[in-house]
This record gives sequence, structure tokens and C-alpha cells, in this order.
Amino acid sequence: QSALTQPASVSGSPGQSITISCTGTSSDIGGYNYVSWYQQHPGKVPKVMIYDVSERPSGVSNRFSGSKSGNTASLTISGLQAEDEAHYYCSSYTGSNILLFGGGTKLTVL
Amino acid sequence: EVQLVESGGTLVQPGGSLRLSCAASGFTFSNFWMGWVRQAPGKGLEWVANINEDGGVEYYLDSLRGRITISRDNAKNSLFVQMNSLRGEDTAVYYCVRLDCRGPSCPFDSWGQGTLVTVSS
Repeated sequence: QSALTQPASVSGSPGQSITISCTGTSSDIGGYNYVSWYQQHPGKVPKVMIYDVSERPSGVSNRFSGSKSGNTASLTISGLQAEDEAHYYCSSYTGSNILLFGGGTKLTVL
Repeated sequence: EVQLVESGGTLVQPGGSLRLSCAASGFTFSNFWMGWVRQAPGKGLEWVANINEDGGVEYYLDSLRGRITISRDNAKNSLFVQMNSLRGEDTAVYYCVRLDCRGPSCPFDSWGQGTLVTVSS
């Protein structure tokens, strides 16, 4: 299986909203609600921000939201803050219980 | 507090073998799926393998199947991964992760700090 496809980088100014896309196939993103999103700051371990496409774990800001349309999942961050600057990775299980990660997107807060 | 502490990472020659361990604490280990995720230096995340609560079900990244074996010892709250025929592309930080399978996507809700495996002659 190939990795999920994410843009290498996105940027936005404080207070703005940005969306990171994650494209797969009907065998993974399109076929199941198994999408999660992780945030990783430099030198830190990843942290789950969204699971089951659009659910937020306890303690994650409601500025983070997830959605899916067809074979593409999206992570939207509203009211951008400097602390949001990080790498973001999407993931999805396939029907064969294989987990795919996206290549990662570097978010820069201008 | 959930704690996952990996150990066993080191410099190993191509073709060599290595066993990584993860000591878990702060939760009922035998109630959770566990897994390994790796990250090559400066690169993205790559899932390696998952194992179910009693160790009877294992899933592997296709490209690693046959070279890697995940296992667990619930009596010792420990997770392991045995890696054989190591190659340069296996060089990475290996993270021990806990899966939260209350929902279908089983996200990795806890991560260890990672242990570095370097494959080089």
C-alpha cells in the first residue's frame, strides 16, 4: 500500500483558518471512518488530535476539526495560534488492518 | 499516568538482529492493543505492527512482514518487537504506542519517547 497524500507544507497567519488535506483511496479513507490526525512538534512525540474522522480527544481544543469527503480527509484549524506550528500527519486503516500514514504536512504560522 | 518506556535501540550492522522492549505502566496493560511506529531521521511516521490484548492477533506493515515479530508479556506489562535482517532503511526512532480501540479508528493515544535504532557498518 502507498502512503496517504498530504501537502508538504501549509501556512497561515494568526487568527486565520487553514485546512490540511489527506488523500487516499476507496480501500482506506474512502471505505472506512478510520481516519486519525496527529500533531508533532519538533523533538516531541506525536499527539492524537482527531480520531474516527471528526472526533476530538478530551483536552484537544475545539479549534481542531476533521471531516471526510470521498477518498479525502481534512483537518481544519481555526483561529490559528503560534503554538499550532508543527507537523501534522493523517492516518487510516485499510480493510486489511494495515495502517497508513500520510507523508506529513508542516504548518507554519506566519 | 500512562508511561511507555522503550529500550534496546542501538547501532547494529546490516543483516543483524535486534529486540526492542517497551515497559508499560499506569494502566491495565492486558486490556489494550499495543503497537510500534517508527520515524526515520527527519522523515514522517511509519506504522510497523499492532498486537491485540492477549497476543493472539498480529498485524504488520506488508514490507516488514517476515522480518519483524511483535509480541507481548502481559504478566510483565511488556511489549516487544524482534527485528531481523536489518537494513539501512530500518534506521529510525521506534515508538511504543497504546491503541484506544473504543472507536473504529483505534488511534494511538499514548506514545513512548522512542528508542533509536541505527543500522550501519
